Amino acid sequence: DQQVKQNSPSLSVQEGRISILNCDYTNSMFDYFLWYKKYPAEGPTFLISISSIKDKNEDGRFTVFLNKSAKHLSLHIVPSQPGDSAVYFCAAANNAGNMLTFGGGTRLMVKP
Amino acid sequence: DAGITQSPRHKVTETGTPVTLRCHQTENHRYMYWYRQDPGHGLRLIHYSYGVKDTDKGEVSDGYSVSRSKTEDFLLTLESATSSQTSVYFCAIGRQLPSTDTQYFGPGTRLTVL
Repeated sequence: DQQVKQNSPSLSVQEGRISILNCDYTNSMFDYFLWYKKYPAEGPTFLISISSIKDKNEDGRFTVFLNKSAKHLSLHIVPSQPGDSAVYFCAAANNAGNMLTFGGGTRLMVKP
Repeated sequence: DAGITQSPRHKVTETGTPVTLRCHQTENHRYMYWYRQDPGHGLRLIHYSYGVKDTDKGEVSDGYSVSRSKTEDFLLTLESATSSQTSVYFCAIGRQLPSTDTQYFGPGTRLTVL
């Protein structure tokens, strides 16, 4: 049973528009969430995170929203750029837990 | 970038042979992790270490063993490789628990088991 799910395997967006990537989780013990970005033939790189005590965290063009009641988080990229084309993974951890649980990933393609 | 290297970067092996993948860090981070990445499954944790000689199982540990005799090195061993272990393997490191600190990933090892 996947505890973290990214239901959209792929997303295509025009350059300059907003990209919205979604993630759902089932484990109510998760209280820390992260987004990672992965280019082909490279390891994932950390993008942005959010603690469950917040509902929004912003870093430049990237904003993560957390809706705890719906067990849902989303990553907004505004404006989208061709260099944002990559696979995005959401991940979750619980307090004092030793591991991250990852979603299956969403491939974002930003068209020039 | 965090100092993490993985070796080898690519390996092709035969079913039934033993395989060892190495992760080396220069950051002196306490936590080290081995993940595998497969299409549709994202990254799944195989084993992790929270200190020298302290290891524990992850989500998909069957068929894998690990060892950590030094802070900087974390080895993943497939005792008898099977075709289902064909995957891309990533090592990651972290200073603290995942709920309080970021994990940093190595470049990956692509393993093909024929």
